[in-house]
Amino acid sequence: EVQLVQSGAELKKPGESLKISCQTSGYSFSNYWIGWVRQKPGKGLEWMGIMYPLDSDTRYSPSFEGQVSISADESISTTYLQWSSLQASDSAIYYCARRNWDMKDAFDVWGQGTVVTVSS
Amino acid sequence: SYVLTQPPSASVAPGETATITCGGTDIGSKSVHWYQQKPGQAPVLVLFYDKDRPSGIPERFSGSNSGNTATLTISRVEAGDEADFYCHVWDRTTDHAVFGGGTRLTVL
Repeated sequence: EVQLVQSGAELKKPGESLKISCQTSGYSFSNYWIGWVRQKPGKGLEWMGIMYPLDSDTRYSPSFEGQVSISADESISTTYLQWSSLQASDSAIYYCARRNWDMKDAFDVWGQGTVVTVSS
Repeated sequence: SYVLTQPPSASVAPGETATITCGGTDIGSKSVHWYQQKPGQAPVLVLFYDKDRPSGIPERFSGSNSGNTATLTISRVEAGDEADFYCHVWDRTTDHAVFGGGTRLTVL
């Protein structure tokens, strides 16, 4: 069974750094793109970026380019989303999702989400 | 950048048919995917490639895509179908994902 399990909720202060994770299992991690999606409270889904773990090819939405960093550790089949300096506006739920080329690039499996709260 | 437009809300009585649209320039030339998100839960893929259902998704969910509009249709709507629905395509010129703004389906 394909699973994406995300790290737990975070409470941080403005200006702090943060790295959240998405641990995958049940498939060949290196051969599928993994994406990150933001959802602010009461709002819709916003695509942030994707990474192909095999060669670390990464694409970012213009809205998030330079604001976050996506990385991966193939040895533990895990992808990461990182901030160097959080702002209150980063408070949201963050989802990772697998891009499945066999399903015309749909996001077929999603993590459970990580709640990030940034408050002084 | 490519834009997908969805109506913010839709409502339907139990047993009736719900139709949710997703508009975009020449969207008929793209593969459209649909996700259902219930309160407090992660999104779930309900249709991919315009009209194909992943394993476990009821046949009541169907889709079409032509011209500038893609459509998700839910037949014989049940109370448990109440959720937010999002359409999604890839902008092939940039390989960036695009989501519609979402439609909240209310079952009356």
